[in-house]
Amino acid sequence: EAGVVQSPRYKIIEKKQPVAFWCNPISGHNTLYWYRQNLGQGPELLIRYENEEAVDDSQLPKDRFSAERLKGVDSTLKIQPAELGDSAVYLCASSITGELFFGEGSRLTVL
Amino acid sequence: GENVEQHPSTLSVQEGDSAVIKCTYSDSASNYFPWYKQELGKGPQLIIDIRSNVGEKKDQRIAVTLNKTAKHFSLHITETQPEDSAVYFCAATPRDSSYKLIFGSGTRLLVRP
Repeated sequence: EAGVVQSPRYKIIEKKQPVAFWCNPISGHNTLYWYRQNLGQGPELLIRYENEEAVDDSQLPKDRFSAERLKGVDSTLKIQPAELGDSAVYLCASSITGELFFGEGSRLTVL
Repeated sequence: GENVEQHPSTLSVQEGDSAVIKCTYSDSASNYFPWYKQELGKGPQLIIDIRSNVGEKKDQRIAVTLNKTAKHFSLHITETQPEDSAVYFCAATPRDSSYKLIFGSGTRLLVRP
């Protein structure tokens, strides 16, 4: 069974540029999460989806971050414009019973 | 909201020795406590978890203990091996969301051959 797939694995951009990350969860997993992991820290939840509905986006900086999960399968997280402080690893996870399965993450470097 | 503190931040042990990582949490209503292992360049992987109605759980060389009164839980790894070297994260679920994990800041474990 394929795990959670994320792309790109690495992205380097200049500040003020836009960036997007894509996630394909494990087949059948109706819950999808986006986490941000700063260097040397634990992951922090940005947004959680139940199917196509965002049920917890309280930690998402809505002025520059947006996310969507059309058709309740794969998801995209966008940052526009990126700031230096957005440099981090963006992790996608999915679950069906509560146990989270993480992807390998997308490492963003903002110069 | 829930706050999870984890220590030590780094831990170095000799192969074959035991390693213990401790976490404390603030929300007494938290009821699910997973531990994740993260290898370099990978996403976190669940290695063991415990619920608030259980005091201890074992899985081969790994065990987790929970003290609800003191609001702390610990990860125990026995007979450590070099492949146990990684960053370990504890987490807890706050009372207002059974699916929201609050992570500790991580422990970097190094097992010396």
